[in-house]
Amino acid sequence: DTGVSQDPRHKITKRGQNVTFRCDPISEHNRLYWYRQTLGQGPEFLTYFQNEAQLEKSRLLSDRFSAERPKGSFSTLEIQRTEQGDSAMYLCASEAGGAGTEAFFGQGTRLTVV
Amino acid sequence: SQQGEEDPQALSIQEGENATMNCSYKTSINNLQWYRQNSGRGLVHLILIRSNEREKHSGRLRVTLDTSKKSSSLLITASRAADTASYFCATDPKNTGNQFYFGTGTSLTVIP
Repeated sequence: DTGVSQDPRHKITKRGQNVTFRCDPISEHNRLYWYRQTLGQGPEFLTYFQNEAQLEKSRLLSDRFSAERPKGSFSTLEIQRTEQGDSAMYLCASEAGGAGTEAFFGQGTRLTVV
Repeated sequence: SQQGEEDPQALSIQEGENATMNCSYKTSINNLQWYRQNSGRGLVHLILIRSNEREKHSGRLRVTLDTSKKSSSLLITASRAADTASYFCATDPKNTGNQFYFGTGTSLTVIP
């Protein structure tokens, strides 16, 4: 499978715990995005990487959230001290870059904070 | 907000009928993409249309773009039960960095 891969698919955690999600983009895609989606809503932008550089961060990304893409390939999204409001689907997308290229999304990680 | 807004919010049709959903946005864009999402799953890319294009086809899908009205439409012809899903448009606005803006989607139900 050469699509965007996310792990885990589901995560249930207790409030206050830390969680980390992984995204493996399509090979050689230099752009990588993280989005969050709550029930009945469209995805909301969290952050964007160009290779290993994190170039944009949404105001939604509080200081409890951190994302990395250490070698410009896979990326991780960590949420510290999770809150019930963090419950959502976390989606990763990658794009080859350049004008007018498609962004392909993974299956997402569904986080439930209890 | 620079979000795309889909219309209608929900659409129910019989199998074999055509389904049309619309997307309106507020600022000039580089391109617009349509995605499908089955319940609880990730987004599947359908079509990208650039700002200098007016119409694109892919199989049973037809997308139009009217930049003067800041709107796009997605037509699914000869719908099938498997087309049941939520459909989102994502805009790539000019001069606003590197992110896409999604609307709240159109929930399509195709009745067998």
